[in-house]
Amino acid sequence: NAGVMQNPRHLVRRRGQEARLRCSPMKGHSHVYWYRQLPEEGLKFMVYLQKENIIDESGMPKERFSAEFPKEGPSILRIQQVVRGDSAAYFCASSPSGQGPYEQYFGPGTRLTVT
Amino acid sequence: AQTVTQSQPEMSVQEAETVTLSCTYDTSENNYYLFWYKQPPSRQMILVIRQEAYKQQNATENRFSVNFQKAAKSFSLKISDSQLGDTAMYFCAFRRDNAGNMLTFGGGTRLMVKP
Repeated sequence: NAGVMQNPRHLVRRRGQEARLRCSPMKGHSHVYWYRQLPEEGLKFMVYLQKENIIDESGMPKERFSAEFPKEGPSILRIQQVVRGDSAAYFCASSPSGQGPYEQYFGPGTRLTVT
Repeated sequence: AQTVTQSQPEMSVQEAETVTLSCTYDTSENNYYLFWYKQPPSRQMILVIRQEAYKQQNATENRFSVNFQKAAKSFSLKISDSQLGDTAMYFCAFRRDNAGNMLTFGGGTRLMVKP
């Protein structure tokens, strides 16, 4: 059973470009979470999605950031018009349920560098 | 809102010795879960140990154990017989036990195990 997959692992974008980060949850998991980790900091929650629904986006910046988890295919975190402050590691996690004693399984992360 | 505080930015320990990492949290919830995650240089987030708040017994996983003090809102991690492979960032995390499964992380403790 493959773990959580994220691609690309490293992404370099110039200021003003768009960044698309992909996350394929573990098989059988329908709950996906995105976290951002700035250098030398802990992970910060961004958004929680189920298939075709955004459940909680309270941690997502109001502008330029969006996320989706379509019926088919991976979850996508999109950052439009990237700025240097968007440089960070972005982690995706998945779980089989949105509550209860289920742990979240993390992907390896995507390291975004904005030049 | 929940907050998680790790007051030790860096710690070091000699190989084979024991080290304790501190974590405190603040919440008005009664039912929740607490976690310790390890992040080695590869940046992969690895679950070390989990504690359910409704369980009085402290969780243990081989060389890793916790001291959970619910009234004091304290959740420390003890690593016994430290090994070089334990060198990593360690993050304490909190999760409520209801819909909305997002993790709240502390700022991390960098642990160096010295030979």
